[in-house]
Amino acid sequence: GENVEQHPSTLSVQEGDSAVIKCTYSDSASNYFPWYKQELGKGPQLIIDIRSNVGEKKDQRIAVTLNKTAKHFSLHITETQPEDSAVYFCAASRYMEYGNKLVFGAGTILRVKS
Amino acid sequence: EPEVTQTPSHQVTQMGQEVILRCVPISNHLYFYWYRQILGQKVEFLVSFYNNEISEKSEIFDDQFSVERPDGSNFTLKIRSTKLEDSAMYFCASGQDMGTEAFFGQGTRLTVV
Repeated sequence: GENVEQHPSTLSVQEGDSAVIKCTYSDSASNYFPWYKQELGKGPQLIIDIRSNVGEKKDQRIAVTLNKTAKHFSLHITETQPEDSAVYFCAASRYMEYGNKLVFGAGTILRVKS
Repeated sequence: EPEVTQTPSHQVTQMGQEVILRCVPISNHLYFYWYRQILGQKVEFLVSFYNNEISEKSEIFDDQFSVERPDGSNFTLKIRSTKLEDSAMYFCASGQDMGTEAFFGQGTRLTVV
């Protein structure tokens, strides 16, 4: 079945450094790849997403890259700040006219040390 | 900013009891979802709902589970006879259109004792 692998499971960086989280997906028909940030006691919040027709997307300090051939996608956070500390989830889906079933990675605990 | 609202935030129930988890999706959204996250595990898809019917469901979503959108604003998940292994965080999500992002609620933590 569909599967998304996410690495690393935990990541500690110094404030100001960059953080990179990587995911691979199994379903070659996947065409939508969101990243969610989850803070303690809250639901997942979308921070950036990318569709299969582009290779890279950037929003201020956050960027996502997609390699469809290798079925890899990555999240890059530059100039990390303590408030970036959270659990980050990647997901993949194949959107259909009746909805968008997301398959999630296992999550990465990001700790930004000040 | 519009948001998905879930109630209660925490529900404790006896094994074998029925529970109903409630969600108010964002008002102009057309696609509705339930996901769950067992402690320490991945967020897992349960069911999607569109045009007043289930559009897709996972293997987890067996006969003990049902969903309903009774009044055009609420979206509920019912578990008829809870088991210990149903203990998890349950997330409701909604989306405006096909292929658009899903917005998640803050979750209901269900504890079955």
